[in-house]
Amino acid sequence: AQKVTQAQTEISVVEKEDVTLDCVYETRDTTYYLFWYKQPPSGELVFLIRRNSFDEQNEISGRYSWNFQKSTSSFNFTITASQVVDSAVYFCALSDNRDDKIIFGKGTRLHILP
Amino acid sequence: SAVISQKPSRDICQRGTSLTIQCQVDSQVTMMFWYRQQPGQSLTLIATANQGSEATYESGFVIDKFPISRPNLTFSTLTVSNMSPEDSSIYLCSVGTGVYNEQFFGPGTRLTVL
Repeated sequence: AQKVTQAQTEISVVEKEDVTLDCVYETRDTTYYLFWYKQPPSGELVFLIRRNSFDEQNEISGRYSWNFQKSTSSFNFTITASQVVDSAVYFCALSDNRDDKIIFGKGTRLHILP
Repeated sequence: SAVISQKPSRDICQRGTSLTIQCQVDSQVTMMFWYRQQPGQSLTLIATANQGSEATYESGFVIDKFPISRPNLTFSTLTVSNMSPEDSSIYLCSVGTGVYNEQFFGPGTRLTVL
């Protein structure tokens, strides 16, 4: 069975601090896809990144970076030099090769304090 | 990525009434999905909207309560029938790109049932 666990329900950091959001997943499939989405207070869901199971290379995009480790079934997301505009709920999600469905973690609410 | 719009963006409805939510995409897509996000919760898949055939519902969701139409490859509707306050949620449509199970989301419809 598939499962995504985001153990951090809520995090508060002061602006300019670095913050890491944890994501642990479970799947029996060897081919799967991992995602991160951002949901700001306005409510829309913004696609941030997709990582394939066969590509463990970490990725950096500006202040955002992602650490994918199959050995620990984790796909963690780090924001460097956080800004108030980063305040949002962040969802980690998983999809396997059997169908096109995505299952979501419960989300981590991130507060960046000025 | 495709541009996705939803109507209405928000509504306040009375108990026992029904509301139809529209999802429009600016290009033809094969996969369309409907999700519910209850207050403070994660996203839950309601159904996959199939073009030319009946929608495929997830466990816990039934066609009588959430009828879905998909008349073509750019448009779908979700109706929330015989509403109760427990139906107060954000309802989001998404489209699948067909590439590594990626999904992009519409802006959502924020529904309040009194």
